[in-house]
Amino acid sequence: SAVISQKPSRDICQRGTSLTIQCQVDSQVTMMFWYRQQPGQSLTLIATANQGSEATYESGFVIDKFPISRPNLTFSTLTVSNMSPEDSSIYLCSVVAEGDTQYFGPGTRLTVL
Amino acid sequence: GQQVMQIPQYQHVQEGEDFTTYCNSSTTLSNIQWYKQRPGGHPVFLIQLVKSGEVKKQKRLTFQFGEAKKNSSLHITATQTTDVGTYFCAGRNRGSYIPTFGRGTSLIVHP
Repeated sequence: SAVISQKPSRDICQRGTSLTIQCQVDSQVTMMFWYRQQPGQSLTLIATANQGSEATYESGFVIDKFPISRPNLTFSTLTVSNMSPEDSSIYLCSVVAEGDTQYFGPGTRLTVL
Repeated sequence: GQQVMQIPQYQHVQEGEDFTTYCNSSTTLSNIQWYKQRPGGHPVFLIQLVKSGEVKKQKRLTFQFGEAKKNSSLHITATQTTDVGTYFCAGRNRGSYIPTFGRGTSLIVHP
């Protein structure tokens, strides 16, 4: 299995500011993803965090708004830039570990005022 | 693109009643995974089904993968209040590590 930690667990931010979320995994993993989950909704993939290269973004998500870093195989950051209230959501880091099992971090609950 | 439809969206049951949630994919899947998300928590992996017609059991939970690998179900026998949460299916196409999640079924168990 993979144990994932995220920081911060929650935050309340002012519109126009940026927040960087950190994701740490207890083992080296190739596949790491960032998801967004709005209240009562399913999981929406933002991007795949690629080690050593630019992240691969899904339709509707762009690098300027959600820059991602992946400096090594155990760590990634997601920044939510120039935030607006519509960005209020839970942001989840996820990895694929052995057996193709996908694990999720505890999430970061973001509220933008 | 691939779509995974999951029904029902909500299900209220009395404790002790059975519960079933269904997933249907618009494409043939390589595998399907099921997750449980407790209120306020994050999705937790339950199981992965790979083979056509596969059936797996975990205590009171029974998971099935259709013969055509386009549908799946999760059945809970004699629900308990600890079963409360949202159950998601996630289907993967061949050659992709990125699953498509269903919208989830929220199970509410009344004592």
